[in-house]
Parts: sequence; structure tokens; C-alpha cells
Amino acid sequence: DTEVTQTPKHLVMGMTNKKSLKCEQHMGHRAMYWYKQKAKKPPELMFVYSYEKLSINESVPSRFSPECPNSSLLNLHLHALQPEDSALYLCASSQEAPGSEKLFFGSGTQLSVL
Amino acid sequence: QKEVEQNSGPLSVPEGAIASLNCTYSDRVSQSFFWYRQYSGKSPELIMSIYSNGDKEDGRFTAQLNKASQYVSLLIRDSQPSDSATYLCAVNIHTGGFKTIFGAGTRLFVKA
Repeated sequence: DTEVTQTPKHLVMGMTNKKSLKCEQHMGHRAMYWYKQKAKKPPELMFVYSYEKLSINESVPSRFSPECPNSSLLNLHLHALQPEDSALYLCASSQEAPGSEKLFFGSGTQLSVL
Repeated sequence: QKEVEQNSGPLSVPEGAIASLNCTYSDRVSQSFFWYRQYSGKSPELIMSIYSNGDKEDGRFTAQLNKASQYVSLLIRDSQPSDSATYLCAVNIHTGGFKTIFGAGTRLFVKA
């Protein structure tokens, strides 16, 4: 299994809603990532989990709250988002070893904040 | 200076030609370099990785790395219309954890 599965594929939410994005991989990867991608821009790193611990937070606003319940699952909890947070949210995973940092991406969640 | 720089294009080449994509990076201690391809509406997929100076070939793709010049390139031989996509150069930076940073991407159009 070489897939990273993200749900939902599309999400529309209001600024007062609370929602969660989910990501799952069964490749035994110990590093998992959240990226945000706006149209015609490159993916922008948000969070990195290594061995289920948050290792990098790229100064992301607290309305985004990541969670790694176990080595296969990664969640992104959303609360009180702004319209400018509308984007494609990509989950990725990789081995946690030099020379093996190739990222495997899920298909993404297209988020619209109204 | 941005950590990873690419010419955003678009780069247009005729079918069968060689497409040449270039990238420079600023972090001298980076050791891992990648090229990802992203079709419109899809997520990025890895097409090449390179870790040592020189060339690395895989089918129609050749990645080139020059650490002294902090330069990475991707050559696509015998370009096909199906190669039309955005190509993202990525560099892995070790700062208390593994962090992959992407360039802006180069949009490639291969004309039939």
C-alpha cells in the first residue's frame, strides 16, 4: 500500500464552524506533514510530525490545530477560519531518515471558508 | 533571498524536444534534492531525487546537481504533451527536523 488517504476531498465551512481534516497512511512512515497550497502557488509547509511528536510548526495561526493520534493517522482541526484560509490542504508522509525524505502526498482536501 | 528559486515560466517546447528546468537554492548544508510534477487539480508526485553531485538518469528524465553552485536541474528528453504540468523543485532542510521546501514551480507546456 503506497497511498496516503485524505478525507474529505472537499469541505465548505463557515467562519464559526469547527471541522477536521483526516489523513491516513500504512507505509510505515514515521514523518507526516501538513501543507497548504493556494492556486498557482507551491505547497507551503505548516506542520511536521516525527514519531508522533510535533517537530516543526511554521508559525501557523492557532485556529489550525494538528494532532497525530498514532503513527498512521494525522488530523488537522479547524476552528474560526478566515476566508483567506481557503486553499488545498495536502497531507504527506515520508521515511524519517536522511536520504529517504521523499514525500508521498494524499490527494488533498479543497477547503472553502465562507 | 528565497530558499528555493525557480523560473515560473511558462516554458513552452515542441513535442520531441528537450525541456530544461532549473532551480537554485540558498541553504549550503542541504543534502537532498527533489523534482515533483503536479498536474492541474492534482497533488504533487515525486519524479526524481538526487543526493550527489553529477547526473542521475531515469528513463526520459535526468536530474543534475552542482552543490558548489547550489544548482539543480531537470532535463526531460523526447517531451510529450502528457509532460505538460508544473514542475516543483524541492530541497530538504534539516532544522531540528526534516523540512522540505518547494520552489515556486515551472509551468511546462509541450506542444503537439
